[in-house]
Amino acid sequence: NAGVTQTPKFQVLKTGQSMTLQCAQDMNHEYMSWYRQDPGMGLRLIHYSVGAGITDQGEVPNGYNVSRSTTEDFPLRLLSAAPSQTSVYFCASSSKRTRAFFGQGTRLTVV
Amino acid sequence: DQQVKQNSPSLSVQEGRISILNCDYTNSMFDYFLWYKKYPAEGPTFLISISSIKDKNEDGRFTVFLNKSAKHLSLHIVPSQPGDSAVYFCAAVNYGGATNKLIFGTGTLLAVQP
Repeated sequence: NAGVTQTPKFQVLKTGQSMTLQCAQDMNHEYMSWYRQDPGMGLRLIHYSVGAGITDQGEVPNGYNVSRSTTEDFPLRLLSAAPSQTSVYFCASSSKRTRAFFGQGTRLTVV
Repeated sequence: DQQVKQNSPSLSVQEGRISILNCDYTNSMFDYFLWYKKYPAEGPTFLISISSIKDKNEDGRFTVFLNKSAKHLSLHIVPSQPGDSAVYFCAAVNYGGATNKLIFGTGTLLAVQP
């Protein structure tokens, strides 16, 4: 009964480094999304996907890439980390017209 | 331009009293509204939702009211309990569209005092 699984839970990066945040869901949901949570800013949508092979930008996509090669996985790539990307990242999945389920989050610090 | 707004960053209530959390939206295309609850170091979890064709939905101690003409919704918690202390996010979605995208407000931190 895993639901949405995010790895890693914590990560510290140096400015300019790249990394991939992993997200996997086992509920056969077609919709997946990445959000970042910052103090006073709520949850802001970074990228989303409506199915395997289909992705699109959300509200704050700059500096991030995504791909969706399978229904289960939706990795988020930071190409060249910046201190402004220090945040808590959440992955979510859902089926059409149903509520979204969230992962436990990845706390990222860029120094 | 923020489509979903929660204007109260925090709220403090006494145990046993009513908690009222408010949310406003601007996009008339939203047809479903959801409330999520978030504890520290955990992901958001679904609490309650309401369709735009209804004005009230109740689930135990939690009731959501929707005023479509005012583009306003509120979450009532009665009676409030210390375990309700968390951040509450209002979210809106256009299920009639193709994306299922949830748009969130900035959240309200609820503190229920014993």
